[in-house]
Amino acid sequence: NAGVMQNPRHLVRRRGQEARLRCSPMKGHSHVYWYRQLPEEGLKFMVYLQKENIIDESGMPKERFSAEFPKEGPSILRIQQVVRGDSAAYFCASSSGQLGELFFGEGSRLTVL
Amino acid sequence: DQQVKQNSPSLSVQEGRISILNCDYTNSMFDYFLWYKKYPAEGPTFLISISSIKDKNEDGRFTVFLNKSAKHLSLHIVPSQPGDSAVYFCAASSMDSNYQLIWGAGTKLIIKP
Repeated sequence: NAGVMQNPRHLVRRRGQEARLRCSPMKGHSHVYWYRQLPEEGLKFMVYLQKENIIDESGMPKERFSAEFPKEGPSILRIQQVVRGDSAAYFCASSSGQLGELFFGEGSRLTVL
Repeated sequence: DQQVKQNSPSLSVQEGRISILNCDYTNSMFDYFLWYKKYPAEGPTFLISISSIKDKNEDGRFTVFLNKSAKHLSLHIVPSQPGDSAVYFCAASSMDSNYQLIWGAGTKLIIKP
């Protein structure tokens, strides 16, 4: 499968636990974007990364959320001490450059009990 | 401050008729616009795009129109088919924001048989 791969597809956590979401971009893509979709809302940009660099994290909450895209391996979105309001679908997208088409993964659905 | 607005949360259209989805934007610096389609439990997929140097782009049953003076774009689907039932997102970007996509909230299109 040459598409954007996200795992896990579904994740259930209790309040206070940590959530780690992984994203492997399409082959040849070095730009990764994370989006969050809350129920009944559109996609909200969170962070834009290139290999080993955070380019734009203006959409990331200042606390508890972090993202990385190491030289080797997938991009990771990490949410510490999750709260109920973190329950959402988290989508990863990749592109080969800055302009144009993003290819999305199928999303990771986080449920916080 | 919503820079990209899709004011119709949902739209219902008879199969075979034309579907028109609308999108308004406020930032006159936007110079590239995209439409994405999203089925439930899947990531968005790219549909069609248009650069600000054009006012129309056509791809099969899908046509996007751009009215820069009104800061308005629309997606026309004709004829509408049952498989077109999905949520449609409008997104815009500009060079001065490193072409980061700004998304509308989406319009749910329902095609009635």
